[in-house]
Amino acid sequence: DAKTTQPTSMDCAEGRAANLPCNHSTISGNEYVYWYRQIHSQGPQYIIHGLKNNETNEMASLIITEDRKSSTLILPHATLRDTAVYYCIGMNTGFQKLVFGTGTRLLVSP
Amino acid sequence: DTAVSQTPKYLVTQMGNDKSIKCEQNLGHDTMYWYKQDSKKFLKIMFSYNNKELIINETVPNRFSPKSPDKAHLNLHINSLELGDSAVYFCASSGIGVRAGNTIYFGEGSWLTVV
Repeated sequence: DAKTTQPTSMDCAEGRAANLPCNHSTISGNEYVYWYRQIHSQGPQYIIHGLKNNETNEMASLIITEDRKSSTLILPHATLRDTAVYYCIGMNTGFQKLVFGTGTRLLVSP
Repeated sequence: DTAVSQTPKYLVTQMGNDKSIKCEQNLGHDTMYWYKQDSKKFLKIMFSYNNKELIINETVPNRFSPKSPDKAHLNLHINSLELGDSAVYFCASSGIGVRAGNTIYFGEGSWLTVV
């Protein structure tokens, strides 16, 4: 599984876009990039995942660089409830095993 | 309806006791997991079962024994509890078949405190 590197913490103003970067320079061709978040005292919550193409769903957008060595999770209009730890994870196509790093602690402020 | 549910949510017990945490998923998934989150907030996989068969065991002590009576349930039994077992335990499940691209869904956690 690819090792990922994320900033320890980020701040975002409410209503603004939150752009969370992730480096995964060792990712292999068959590894997906997953994003999860964990709001305080809750279970990890799936946000989005992708392989090569950019992806968008009702929660966020995922932009993956062409060389797949990095990606950015975009929360288009951050709210206070988006305050959480965000995890970027590379997962192979074998047996699924999410390996969580330390993540990025996003603080959304009024 | 809660997709992945685990009970109890909170458990306080004495050292040396044996306890179980139950997990059920109603998503029709084939694969279930147990993760542990320690006091430093690191989330680590412990076990994974696919169709009631153990497929991942991350060098967890023998005191931890998962049991999967059917595809929808994966219970965690812990013998001779130690102080270091205090943590939040998350159950999770994923897709049809073991392959990447399937989303893993987590329960809300079971907070175990050993005193």
